[in-house]
Amino acid sequence: LAKTTQPISMDSYEGQEVNITCSHNNIATNDYITWYQQFPSQGPRFIIQGYKTKVTNEVASLFIPADRKSSTLSLPRVSLSDTAVYYCLVGDIPAGGYNKLIFGAGTRLAVHP
Amino acid sequence: DAGVIQSPRHEVTEMGQEVTLRCKPISGHDYLFWYRQTMMRGLELLIYFNNNVPIDDSGMPEDRFSAKMPNASFSTLKIQPSEPRDSAVYFCASTLSGTEEQYFGPGTRLTVT
Repeated sequence: LAKTTQPISMDSYEGQEVNITCSHNNIATNDYITWYQQFPSQGPRFIIQGYKTKVTNEVASLFIPADRKSSTLSLPRVSLSDTAVYYCLVGDIPAGGYNKLIFGAGTRLAVHP
Repeated sequence: DAGVIQSPRHEVTEMGQEVTLRCKPISGHDYLFWYRQTMMRGLELLIYFNNNVPIDDSGMPEDRFSAKMPNASFSTLKIQPSEPRDSAVYFCASTLSGTEEQYFGPGTRLTVT
């Protein structure tokens, strides 16, 4: 199983860019990197997924270096509503490897006024 | 689409009672997942189905837990008998094979006294 390591918590202020890095040293060739966001009293919500280099959508960007042993979720200009727990997952999702996806403790992001 | 629907949203029961949690996945999705979330253990995958067939139930804690999916639009997670340590938020999620994200329901908060 590809184990992931991410900071337990982070603090930021409104309008700043936030970068959350996840380490996954034993990522397999077929594994994808997926990030989820969870607000209190809600289920997790998909943010972004990537395999290599850079992926960007309307919510975030995901940077993956060539060795793929880490990834960085970038949230541009955060607001108070971005306060949530962010999970990094690694797994061969296209092959249906859902049982190998581990949410872990996630990173608790607190955005301050 | 209304998204993944779970019922009840809250359940309080006494130790030894049977508890049944229900889930209606998003129409057309062929994967369904049951997760449990606690402060101590985080978000854990209990079991998942593909085309109504259980694929991996290795996350089910013990024989007191059982899950069924009689058709593509309905699944249940049953705990019999319930114990205080089963208190948690139980999430149901669904996805379509070949797509990137799991869609989570709002969860059922179970309290066993």
